[in-house]
Amino acid sequence: NAGVTQTPKFQVLKTGQSMTLQCAQDMNHNSMYWYRQDPGMGLRLIYYSASEGTTDKGEVPNGYNVSRLNKREFSLRLESAAPSQTSVYFCASRAERETAYNEQFFGPGTRLTVL
Amino acid sequence: AQTVTQSQPEMSVQEAETVTLSCTYDTSESDYYLFWYKQPPSRQMILVIRQEAYKQQNATENRFSVNFQKAAKSFSLKISDSQLGDAAMYFCASPNTGNQFYFGTGTSLTVIP
Repeated sequence: NAGVTQTPKFQVLKTGQSMTLQCAQDMNHNSMYWYRQDPGMGLRLIYYSASEGTTDKGEVPNGYNVSRLNKREFSLRLESAAPSQTSVYFCASRAERETAYNEQFFGPGTRLTVL
Repeated sequence: AQTVTQSQPEMSVQEAETVTLSCTYDTSESDYYLFWYKQPPSRQMILVIRQEAYKQQNATENRFSVNFQKAAKSFSLKISDSQLGDAAMYFCASPNTGNQFYFGTGTSLTVIP
């Protein structure tokens, strides 16, 4: 039982390059999330998916796209990376309300630097 | 919009002493949960404690306890007998019924030997 896994752990991009951050969970959770963490700003929600086949924008969606490939996997894509997207990215999943008190489980994070 | 405020960017505590981290929130929900997460230097987010709003009793997990004041919308975390391993960023979080979580900006806790 690995929980929430993310790849890669570190990435350096040049401005304008694209990349996809991968996330998978093995807890059979319906809800999955992508956050970015910047110094002094806490965690800000980029996109989330309440169930397979659905995605919704969070607080800071501009410059990102997501895909909920199946129940396990939720990817985040940067089509044309910008220095402002330098951040630490976290994926999270969440159990159903009735069973686990709404706790979110987090992946280990990806540190992305855009030069 | 739902908000969570942590007004202490940094706190320090002597080893074995007690420290309290503050959090206030704003929500229109009638039933909700509140959470404290810990983020050590490893970056991994770890759940410390949770509180269900309709429960009057404050939650406790070993050395960690909360002071939940529903009317004041205050949810502070008390760490007793502080240990070096408690040094971390601490985030307060509140979800809404729309499935979104709102996080505070965090408090960096230093434990002084």
